[in-house]
Amino acid sequence: GAVVSQHPSRVICKSGTSVKIECRSLDFQATTMFWYRQFPKQSLMLMATSNEGSKATYEQGVEKDKFLINHASLTLSTLTVTSAHPEDSSFYICSASSGFSYEQYFGPGTRLTVT
Amino acid sequence: RKEVEQDPGPFNVPEGATVAFNCTYSNSASQSFFWYRQDCRKEPKLLMSVYSSGNEDGRFTAQLNRASQYISLLIRDSKLSDSATYLCVVNSRRGGADGLTFGKGTHLIIQP
Repeated sequence: GAVVSQHPSRVICKSGTSVKIECRSLDFQATTMFWYRQFPKQSLMLMATSNEGSKATYEQGVEKDKFLINHASLTLSTLTVTSAHPEDSSFYICSASSGFSYEQYFGPGTRLTVT
Repeated sequence: RKEVEQDPGPFNVPEGATVAFNCTYSNSASQSFFWYRQDCRKEPKLLMSVYSSGNEDGRFTAQLNRASQYISLLIRDSKLSDSATYLCVVNSRRGGADGLTFGKGTHLIIQP
């Protein structure tokens, strides 16, 4: 149980375009989903927290207009990187929590390369 | 001071040996603690939660010292498959959010 999927697993896009990443909880309802980013040889950094049906809470330094998050249902959250720049190239990982414990279940990640 | 600090290693350990990692955290209000394992270019996977009383899962033992804000992980009889990066993770409530705070990880290499 507790499977989280992400799509796409890998994406290459040109500067200035937008990219949407989907995160799905496949076998449980996720009241909260989290988006993390990991640069090479760095730790995962929390970008934002989204609760179903409400606006996402962004961490300090993360631009909400650049990283659009939508959590429209209890099984799906999307992250859209708008007007992508090469410095946005990173490994984006989502996680989901059912809310019954602190445990989070991670998706397999999306490797974004902006050229 | 970083919120979660770990020795990045690498730790080069012969197969069958015992290895221990430590981690310190700065937020005394942290409520839950975990060790995750991350393989190269993969997502982190939960290894075990860490409880105040200490807990063991097979070859793995985790300990928490709240007074010193210190977490440890002990791996006994290490296997080649234990080679990975071990992430110390702390739950730190910030304005109602429950995002996890990750250490940079300790890189472990088990040598045959």
